[in-house]
Amino acid sequence: EAQVTQNPRYLITVTGKKLTVTCSQNMNHEYMSWYRQDPGLGLRQIYYSMNVEVTDKGDVPEGYKVSRKEKRNFPLILESPSPNQTSLYFCASSPTQGIPGQPQHFGDGTRLSIL
Amino acid sequence: GDSVTQMEGPVTLSEEAFLTINCTYTATGYPSLFWYVQYPGEGLQLLLKATKADDKGSNKGFEATYRKETTSFHLEKGSVQVSDSAVYFCALSDRVSSGGYQKVTFGTGTKLQVIP
Repeated sequence: EAQVTQNPRYLITVTGKKLTVTCSQNMNHEYMSWYRQDPGLGLRQIYYSMNVEVTDKGDVPEGYKVSRKEKRNFPLILESPSPNQTSLYFCASSPTQGIPGQPQHFGDGTRLSIL
Repeated sequence: GDSVTQMEGPVTLSEEAFLTINCTYTATGYPSLFWYVQYPGEGLQLLLKATKADDKGSNKGFEATYRKETTSFHLEKGSVQVSDSAVYFCALSDRVSSGGYQKVTFGTGTKLQVIP
């Protein structure tokens, strides 16, 4: 089954404790992206990757890191989490972002609470 | 920059009522337009899309028409069901001038609740 898998689905942690949210897709997609969803703000892009070893900042990259060493994986790293990073996070992928009209495939989300 | 504005919710309707969720956009280029649906506890799923003016996207009884003259992409359904209760996101993708890719911009989402 074609899917985007995120782990963990839920995490409660404390300020400053490094954490990683994993994202994996099995569709051989070139493009992957991370979003955060906050009430009243919709989805905002954190980082994206056009292909292996190619990543760039989205609209709200501060406090986050990513890497793309393999095509299928795109982990999101919070080196020193803070309470303002409490949010619902989504990973998404699409075949390529160079062609108009390509929809994105989303994971089921990771709810992070930073105390 | 590009932006998407959609009507605020929540929208509460009785079963079999007619649904309209308004969406307007601003874009520098010639965007593709999308509606995504998010059911509770799940990620977003593509509902329908349109890639050029006057195209009508349709799926599961929902439809939306790409109106370039009014920069709109309103979502409609003739008769909603309880199972349609979800959050609906309007989105556009547009070519970034500095690169060769399509950037996606989402609206803030509209929550729909359908009561029996």
